[in-house]
Amino acid sequence: QVQLQESGPGLVKPSETLSLTCTVSGGSISTYSWTWIRQPPGKGLEWIGYIYYTGSTNYNPSLKSRVTMSLDTSKNQFSLKLSSVTAADTALYYCAREAAVFDYWGHGTLVTVSS
Amino acid sequence: EIVLTQSPATLSLSPGERATLSCRASQSVSSYLVWYQQKPGQAPRPLIYDASNRATGIPARFSGSGSGTDFTLTISSLEPEDFAVYYCQQRSNWPRTFGQGTKLEIK
Repeated sequence: QVQLQESGPGLVKPSETLSLTCTVSGGSISTYSWTWIRQPPGKGLEWIGYIYYTGSTNYNPSLKSRVTMSLDTSKNQFSLKLSSVTAADTALYYCAREAAVFDYWGHGTLVTVSS
Repeated sequence: EIVLTQSPATLSLSPGERATLSCRASQSVSSYLVWYQQKPGQAPRPLIYDASNRATGIPARFSGSGSGTDFTLTISSLEPEDFAVYYCQQRSNWPRTFGQGTKLEIK
């Protein structure tokens, strides 16, 4: 059974960079697309982007200028960096696997942007 | 970007009743439409993919239909555990987009 677990700081200051890591267990990261999705408190879902196992990426145009994704196949992990954060970036951040659908998700990690 | 509009925003029904949820796309997504269920404190889980195919382990009371721009998720007879928020998502184009959700609540 594939499992995903997000990790990273729960509090980030405005204008700084949000950094999260997703650790995948029970399966190899060397296939499929690995995705970040966020959900502001009480609101809907926003696709941030994906990184393919080859390292190619595709980001949401609304966030593209601030997003960087990477992966570490030796650790079976992939990561998200979101720069110049504001309060609007406060959300529950999920990592997920896309195999036609987002079939496996982490539990999500809440990131609050506040000074 | 393809905009998905779900209706109604909230649906109040009783266990045993039939639920019909709609999702309309701003342009054709062919059959590349997915439905998710999200319960409080949990990640979404896929129910229906490619408009009408049940995901692994999903009960037969859940069904999906539609193509192009108009899609429907039907729950034939509501069980207590079905009260949740439902999202549609298109996988036809980039960026992937979600509808705003329909909250299915107990009447």
